Amino acid sequence: QVQLVESGGGVVQPGGSLRLSCAASGFTFSSYGMHWVRQAPGKGLEWVAFIRYDGSNKYYADSVKGRFTISRDNSKNTLYLQMNSLRAEDTAVYYCAKEAITMVQGVDYYYMDVWGKGTTVTVSS
Amino acid sequence: DIQLTQSPSFLSASVGDRVTITCRASQGISSYLAWYQQKPGKAPKLLIYAASTLQSGVPSRFSGSGSGTEFTLTISSLQPEDFATYYCQQLNSYPRFTFGPGTKVDIK
Repeated sequence: QVQLVESGGGVVQPGGSLRLSCAASGFTFSSYGMHWVRQAPGKGLEWVAFIRYDGSNKYYADSVKGRFTISRDNSKNTLYLQMNSLRAEDTAVYYCAKEAITMVQGVDYYYMDVWGKGTTVTVSS
Repeated sequence: DIQLTQSPSFLSASVGDRVTITCRASQGISSYLAWYQQKPGKAPKLLIYAASTLQSGVPSRFSGSGSGTEFTLTISSLQPEDFATYYCQQLNSYPRFTFGPGTKVDIK
């Protein structure tokens, strides 16, 4: 079955770095765009970053632009999020999510259909 | 940027109740909207996309409607497993798919 498993979370000091991974299985990873979404403790969902299926284009939320880098290795079916210059406000559960595309009444809709269970990042001194 | 608001932020309901949650967009987004359910400590689960298309495997008591700036998620008969937080998400600004603030559905 389609599965996404995040790893790499942990406790890091402000200003530090961390790399998250998302291992994909059960689908042709190289055919789908992938997202990172995060959720701070007790808060709502925040879209973080997206990478196209072939890695050709990357997009970031303003809150992480210049500090985070999304990448992928299609030979390893793995998505990454390199997080630098971490701040306390980056503390959150980080989820990876698979892009889906469906045509409804002649219109293509892109959305997130499968999510991993998340990995927790805590930025604290 | 498109902003989403949800109402109510919190609602208390009983098993068997009909529940309606509203999501409003700051500008027209046609039918580019999804709904997710999230239970404590769990990842979000896709319920509906394209405003009204039910994701495979989601019970038919869930339905979505609306277009433009106003959307609704309806649970026709609330079940014990439906107590959760529900988020809308705009799918208009590809791929920056922002979320609404959420609606928590609790047991009365």
